[in-house]
Amino acid sequence: NAGVTQTPKFRILKIGQSMTLQCTQDMNHNYMYWYRQDPGMGLKLIYYSVGAGITDKGEVPNGYNVSRSTTEDFPLRLELAAPSQTSVYFCASSYVGGIKYNEQFFGPGTRLTVL
Amino acid sequence: GQQLNQSPQSMFIQEGEDVSMNCTSSSIFNTWLWYKQDPGEGPVLLIALYKAGELTSNGRLTAQFGITRKDSFLNISASIPSDVGIYFCAGQSGTSYGKLTFGQGTILTVHP
Repeated sequence: NAGVTQTPKFRILKIGQSMTLQCTQDMNHNYMYWYRQDPGMGLKLIYYSVGAGITDKGEVPNGYNVSRSTTEDFPLRLELAAPSQTSVYFCASSYVGGIKYNEQFFGPGTRLTVL
Repeated sequence: GQQLNQSPQSMFIQEGEDVSMNCTSSSIFNTWLWYKQDPGEGPVLLIALYKAGELTSNGRLTAQFGITRKDSFLNISASIPSDVGIYFCAGQSGTSYGKLTFGQGTILTVHP
């Protein structure tokens, strides 16, 4: 199993540009998450999904959009990039509902710089 | 929103020393998780705790779910240089099903 994969690893955007961060998991997890991590800070939840077709806002959703058309994929869309979105973005997935629920597994991250 | 207070913020230790860090919350949690993040990588799950009072080990790492359900502790024994990284606690409460709240992390530096 590859686990959680993310692309790209690095990206530089100009202010106002848009992009999609890709995330795929092969563990058949029902929940998927997007976090951002600013320097010296913990992880802040942007959006999450409880299953295909169902998404909900996290702590810091402004400026982002998500969709979940399949169990495996959970892309994050930035429509009008702003310098405040410079951060490292992590995708995670977990199985929620069994005994070992919500053990979240993380991808390697996408380092995004907006200039 | 819920907050976790993780301490210390950073630690500088000599190889071979033991390390202790903790997380406290104003809310009751029903799950505590401990993660490690190496530079340039995503967090990796170290230990998961599901019952108050539970004590779980993973090699040189031992974590405990506090009896009040508002805190958790992580101990690393006989530290080695590869223990360097950022350690995060995370918790899930009954009111935030499916979502974790993360601490701000403890930066661990181990001097050979």
